[in-house]
Amino acid sequence: EIVLTQSPGTLSLSPGESATLSCRASQSVDSNYLVWYQQKSGQAPRLLIYGASTRATGIPDRFSGSGSGTDFTLTISRLEPEDFAVYYCQQSVDSPRTTFGQGTKVEIK
Amino acid sequence: EVQVLESGGGVVQPGGSLRLSCAASGFTFTNFGMSWVRQAPGKGLEWVSFISGSGASTYYADSVKGRFAISRDSSKNTVHLQLNSLRVEDTARYYCAKDWVLQGARPYYFDYWGQGTLVTVSS
Repeated sequence: EIVLTQSPGTLSLSPGESATLSCRASQSVDSNYLVWYQQKSGQAPRLLIYGASTRATGIPDRFSGSGSGTDFTLTISRLEPEDFAVYYCQQSVDSPRTTFGQGTKVEIK
Repeated sequence: EVQVLESGGGVVQPGGSLRLSCAASGFTFTNFGMSWVRQAPGKGLEWVSFISGSGASTYYADSVKGRFAISRDSSKNTVHLQLNSLRVEDTARYYCAKDWVLQGARPYYFDYWGQGTLVTVSS
């Protein structure tokens, strides 16, 4: 099973600042099979980024994804109040053993 | 507009059973696989089970294999998850999610999610 480790666990930032979230895989992941979700409190997850770097429909361009191999990054530039949430990465290269990272919480400082 | 709506959650004793349902609309149901993903209170996401658009392929996480069974009724655009031999550690919100990949035979990633249904296993 491919283990995804997200860091940091919690990021405390102010609106307008930038956030950098890391997702590290225990073995190499084809970037086509790496996605990011956003989950706001009390809501279902929402697909943000697929193929490691492509924004899903309706996702603002302040969200960007990058990376390859075992290291992937989600960057949120100019945090808006609605961006404070928990973010998860997911790999499906090892499907059906698809796995999620444990999440990074972006909270208001 | 794609919609996914789960139902069937509740409180059940350890060893008991429950049947979850997921009604989907707004897309060609037989073209897409569907998964169940769960989230224990205050915890992260865990993929549980997948069924392909045709129903020919099904997969389960090791943690539920042999206890849970997924099925789909294409005449009603509905997916079911039968939960048997429930354990305290199965307590979670269960989300139904549409797979992104057209005609996918395995779970990939999920572009539409329902709001989930809560399953509590407690004596």
